[in-house]
Amino acid sequence: QVQLQESGPGLVKPSQTLSLTCSVSGGSISSGSSYWSWIRQPARKGLEWIGHIYSSGSTNYNPSLKSRVTISLDTSKNQFSLKLSSVTAADTAVYYCARRRDYGDGDAFDIWGQGTMVTVSS
Amino acid sequence: SYELTQPPSVSVSPGQTASITCSGDELGDKFASWFQQRLGQSPVLVIYQDTKRPSGIPERFSGSNSGNTATLTISGTQAMDEADYYCQAWDSSTYVFGTGTKVTVL
Repeated sequence: QVQLQESGPGLVKPSQTLSLTCSVSGGSISSGSSYWSWIRQPARKGLEWIGHIYSSGSTNYNPSLKSRVTISLDTSKNQFSLKLSSVTAADTAVYYCARRRDYGDGDAFDIWGQGTMVTVSS
Repeated sequence: SYELTQPPSVSVSPGQTASITCSGDELGDKFASWFQQRLGQSPVLVIYQDTKRPSGIPERFSGSNSGNTATLTISGTQAMDEADYYCQAWDSSTYVFGTGTKVTVL
């Protein structure tokens, strides 16, 4: 059973870069049909897709965040990472990593990490 | 940008049926997923590709999608079903989530 676990600083200063890592256990990050995603949720608000990376290294980002987001893969550690630059208070949220599974005729975010709270404050 | 609209809240008595709608332009032409998020927990996939249930999800959860509306139905609602529910669809290379519905089991 694949499991995901986020890690990283819980406090980031405004204008700096938020960096998080998602560790994948119980399966290989290099397996086909899986897209490794980041999703965030501000307190008492809804979910926002940030972007994803495929095992080939190809990425797709939410246009609203694209200029500030980088998602990368480390197959040797079975991890993928998120970097969000020039953060402001609006980036304060719980950040989830998730697997998007491709079924061929559709897909779904079928496995989620427990989430990690990141606060942007000086 | 694409938007998915849900009612803020739905109340249901134990054992009764709860229906949660998700509205979006031509949503029926896309696949919809539904997630359950209990208080303080991560979202859990309960329906994908409009009608499919992942392994381990009770049969009382079902979905449909037609026209501009996708619907999640919980039959024989139990107290443990009290949670926030989010729909989700894909549009123009972006994954969009609905505004969320709080289901209260009275």
